[in-house]
Amino acid sequence: DAGVIQSPRHEVTEMGQEVTLRCKPISGHDYLFWYRQTMMRGLELLIYFNNNVPIDDSGMPEDRFSAKMPNASFSTLKIQPSEPRDSAVYFCASGGTQFDRWPYNEQFFGPGTRLTVL
Amino acid sequence: AQTVTQSQPEMSVQEAETVTLSCTYDTSESDYYLFWYKQPPSRQMILVIRQEAYKQQNATENRFSVNFQKAAKSFSLKISDSQLGDAAMYFCAYRPSGNTPLVFGKGTRLSVIA
Repeated sequence: DAGVIQSPRHEVTEMGQEVTLRCKPISGHDYLFWYRQTMMRGLELLIYFNNNVPIDDSGMPEDRFSAKMPNASFSTLKIQPSEPRDSAVYFCASGGTQFDRWPYNEQFFGPGTRLTVL
Repeated sequence: AQTVTQSQPEMSVQEAETVTLSCTYDTSESDYYLFWYKQPPSRQMILVIRQEAYKQQNATENRFSVNFQKAAKSFSLKISDSQLGDAAMYFCAYRPSGNTPLVFGKGTRLSVIA
């Protein structure tokens, strides 16, 4: 398996523009997590899904952020409109099956998307 | 809410020496995992070592070992025979059992001096 795939790897946009980040999880994983990394707040959870259903979106900062998982092999994180304070590295991670003990619940991280909003 | 604290923003070590990175956490759970992740400049999150809370024996992975003190809620990482390739950000992370999100500390930037 190619691991968790994220695109784009880098995104530079201007304030007010819509940004869409994409993630393809590892096949067979039931859980998908979106994390954000900033200098000020470190790594924090934005939202996670189980079997394509959002379980906890309490980390989504505001209504400008939305995430979807239309099927088991694809998820998007959308920011509309984007603001300079959204500049960060966004990680997608997948993991977990019906067996919730190690190693079946290990999380695997994608390479991250570095977003810069000017 | 669970929290993870790394009190050392930066550390440095001489090549071939040993360094210990500190981590404390707060939880009311009895069953959980603790992790150390390495993040080199490439940004990739690399799992270094994990510890299951129910295991009393400290985990070891080659040059990496942990000192897990459950009562004190302490989970430190020891890197022996430090190498230049060990230079990176190191994150301590906590997760309850099951398929739950990770809670990260703020990280410790480790420099290795040749």
